[in-house]
Amino acid sequence: AQSVTQLDSHVSVSEGTPVLLRCNYSSSYSPSLFWYVQHPNKGLQLLLKYTSAATLVKGINGFEAEFKKSETSFHLTKPSAHMSDAAEYFCVVSDRTGNTGKLIFGQGTTLQVKP
Amino acid sequence: GAGVSQSPSNKVTEKGKDVELRCDPISGHTALYWYRQSLGQGLEFLIYFQGNSAPDKSGLPSDRFSAERTGGSVSTLTIQRTQQEDSAVYLCASSLIAGALSGANVLTFGAGSRLTVL
Repeated sequence: AQSVTQLDSHVSVSEGTPVLLRCNYSSSYSPSLFWYVQHPNKGLQLLLKYTSAATLVKGINGFEAEFKKSETSFHLTKPSAHMSDAAEYFCVVSDRTGNTGKLIFGQGTTLQVKP
Repeated sequence: GAGVSQSPSNKVTEKGKDVELRCDPISGHTALYWYRQSLGQGLEFLIYFQGNSAPDKSGLPSDRFSAERTGGSVSTLTIQRTQQEDSAVYLCASSLIAGALSGANVLTFGAGSRLTVL
């Protein structure tokens, strides 16, 4: 069965410094992986997705993630944090058992950006 | 519509009452999903529809929970005899098709319905 582990429940960075949100996955298939962001009182928004094409995936707002099969990781990075990046981030794997497209979410990482 | 629409956005109810939560997916999306997000938790899958049928309802926590979808469009999640542990944000998502092998299936989420059971 597929699963996702986000290694940090809370990350705090200063504005202008790099962001690293860590995610490890477990999957018996070649997984599809996603990062979603949830701003306070807003809906979930797709940041980026990996679907077995290029291992380095670029998303919106300057975020990117690298799929590393050998490490079963899909960490999210951004070179320089903005105040507007403060939000909850979810690493997600697609459950392809039965090909339902059902998503399995990690527990989330809260990103705090300090001025 | 332009996005996934959910109503009500907020619902406060008393323990033991029934509630209905509505989801209006993006027009033309055949797959529809319900998730639950409890305070401080990740998202928990509840049920998924392909058209009007529900091939996977494995996440429904008890028989108090049910959902239906009509006309391949609007879906209603019903919780009977609500309990305090049902308090959560209920999120609906839709996608063009379910589970494309290419992994291109992308879910678009609504803003959610926040349920508070007193």
